[in-house]
Amino acid sequence: GQSLEQPSEVTAVEGAIVQINCTYQTSGFYGLSWYQQHDGGAPTFLSYNALDGLEETGRFSSFLSRSDSYGYLLLQELQMKDSASYFCAVRDEGDYKLSFGAGTTVTVRA
Amino acid sequence: EAQVTQNPRYLITVTGKKLTVTCSQNMNHEYMSWYRQDPGLGLRQIYYSMNVEVTDKGDVPEGYKVSRKEKRNFPLILESPSPNQTSLYFCASSPDRGDQPQHFGDGTRLSIL
Repeated sequence: GQSLEQPSEVTAVEGAIVQINCTYQTSGFYGLSWYQQHDGGAPTFLSYNALDGLEETGRFSSFLSRSDSYGYLLLQELQMKDSASYFCAVRDEGDYKLSFGAGTTVTVRA
Repeated sequence: EAQVTQNPRYLITVTGKKLTVTCSQNMNHEYMSWYRQDPGLGLRQIYYSMNVEVTDKGDVPEGYKVSRKEKRNFPLILESPSPNQTSLYFCASSPDRGDQPQHFGDGTRLSIL
């Protein structure tokens, strides 16, 4: 099975940078995904890392270190609309289950 | 428009009364999945399906059934609902594997009294 840990809450001001860490314990590993969810709405896909390194998509970047079983999502130039919950997720190499972390609530203040 | 459609969006019902939540996708995706979301627990996978007639258990399958008779549809069945199944449920689909971008439906809020 999978176990994912991420901080429960982060608060920052507009324009700041926020890093959300995700550590995982799995019996196998295929890749790390990140999703955003606003107020109980449908989660939306942000990024996916299968290999070590940094993936950049606009203001959001995601990093993976397979040797450390660790990844992070970096939110730059924070905007009020970035206030949401962010979830990391992993798929076990051995099957096709997808496991999510408990989520990090990001609050952006003016 | 590419979408995953769940129905109903909201349902209040009573213990033991069988219910079905429907899920349909129009993207010809192979992989479909059901999740429940509870405060502080994130999204937990209930069942997933790799293709028609192929389903498998996620992390919390107890008390739920699914079927995949057609590629586009993946209904979630609660044969005898209980109050601990009160939750927000999401259906999702992706092209062929769970780690590919999941497209989520808008959610179904179930209350079992």
